[in-house]
Amino acid sequence: GIQVEQSPPDLILQEGANSTLRCNFSDSVNNLQWFHQNPWGQLINLFYIPSGTKQNGRLSATTVATERYSLLYISSSQTTDSGVYFCAVVAGYGNKLVFGAGTILRVKS
Amino acid sequence: NAGVTQTPKFRILKIGQSMTLQCAQDMNHNYMYWYRQDPGMGLKLIYYSVGAGITDKGEVPNGYNVSRSTTEDFPLRLELAAPSQTSVYFCASSFGLAGPLGDEQFFGPGTRLTVL
Repeated sequence: GIQVEQSPPDLILQEGANSTLRCNFSDSVNNLQWFHQNPWGQLINLFYIPSGTKQNGRLSATTVATERYSLLYISSSQTTDSGVYFCAVVAGYGNKLVFGAGTILRVKS
Repeated sequence: NAGVTQTPKFRILKIGQSMTLQCAQDMNHNYMYWYRQDPGMGLKLIYYSVGAGITDKGEVPNGYNVSRSTTEDFPLRLELAAPSQTSVYFCASSFGLAGPLGDEQFFGPGTRLTVL
């Protein structure tokens, strides 16, 4: 099956800093989503982005489907950005999301 | 819209007990899914359904059963609970659209289950 690798596994930032999270996948995809899991365990949809670029406030994402990677940019980070960021993809037939292991982000004030 | 709702929020089971995790959605989505998340890991698909009366296995179906009698509800049944089923369980739903409009999945708040 498809493999999803996220990097870095762990990231510590000072408040106000910018960061880039990466998601590599081993096969072509029909669906790619970025999620933020907050410290209470809730999964929050950030982007649905199988290709192209999207922006939402301080966050933006780019997926280059032909090169099999996606990037999540966080600018001017805030302590509320802390949590785990997951990339998940659907490959081939069906709608089954395959998740990466996540990037743990800690933003210090 | 309430979105995707799950009950209960927390549950402790003894080994060998059974229980049903409830999931409902009010977005008129065709597709529904059950995932589990073990500590420090991403989510893994247990079962999914593409419509009422149709279900199929995901990556980790052993020890679980599902049914889908209505569009809105998708309960997950645990029979003979084992410590390996200690996890956080997430239900999700989507329209199930193919093509460029895509198929974004939306998740419920999760059920934290401990089997002792």
